Amino acid sequence: DAGITQSPRHKVTETGTPVTLRCHQTENHRYMYWYRQDPGHGLRLIHYSYGVKDTDKGEVSDGYSVSRSKTEDFLLTLESATSSQTSVYFCATTHRASGGPNEQFFGPGTRLTVL
Amino acid sequence: AQTVTQSQPEMSVQEAETVTLSCTYDTSESDYYLFWYKQPPSRQMILVIRQEAYKQQNATENRFSVNFQKAAKSFSLKISDSQLGDAAMYFCAYRSARPVQGAQKLVFGQGTRLTINP
Repeated sequence: DAGITQSPRHKVTETGTPVTLRCHQTENHRYMYWYRQDPGHGLRLIHYSYGVKDTDKGEVSDGYSVSRSKTEDFLLTLESATSSQTSVYFCATTHRASGGPNEQFFGPGTRLTVL
Repeated sequence: AQTVTQSQPEMSVQEAETVTLSCTYDTSESDYYLFWYKQPPSRQMILVIRQEAYKQQNATENRFSVNFQKAAKSFSLKISDSQLGDAAMYFCAYRSARPVQGAQKLVFGQGTRLTINP
């Protein structure tokens, strides 16, 4: 499981409040990803990081920002949460650049409910 | 942009029988990788099997095998001798073999929920 933890595991918040989700990994993997999972959509990429302080947008990045100040931590922030951001959020990591079908390791997920 | 489609939202099978889950994808690339992930009720994402597009031979992992049809852009998963522990959501995923900045971004299908009937 590549030693990936996510915190919190569950959170209920109100519309308009800021929320930060944390992903922590202990394997020194270079690449980290945030996905959201919604019924009928599978998992969709929000943002990813290809190194410390190096991040880029994914498919559904609107309303989200990320930061990575050290290798082991990747933070996902909802500046002003909306009900459409109610979802299950997954963090994932990969070790190196593509040299084959390298496995992507996933964290346990965070269920976020925005009321 | 690549897309992945799983047209079966739900499937069920009798224990010990064989079931096939369908997946199609759309891409203009010739080199890529395909994956099947399993998500049990625990929500943990578990890699089941992977396939390199340049390999004609279908991948196999114990009771799990794929039927990879590159020209048809089809990647189905066959589960033989189904067991109760196979009950889960299954996701098909695509990844380019030429990732931007080295990041291995996955594109997922919508998922198929598999029920095993005892």
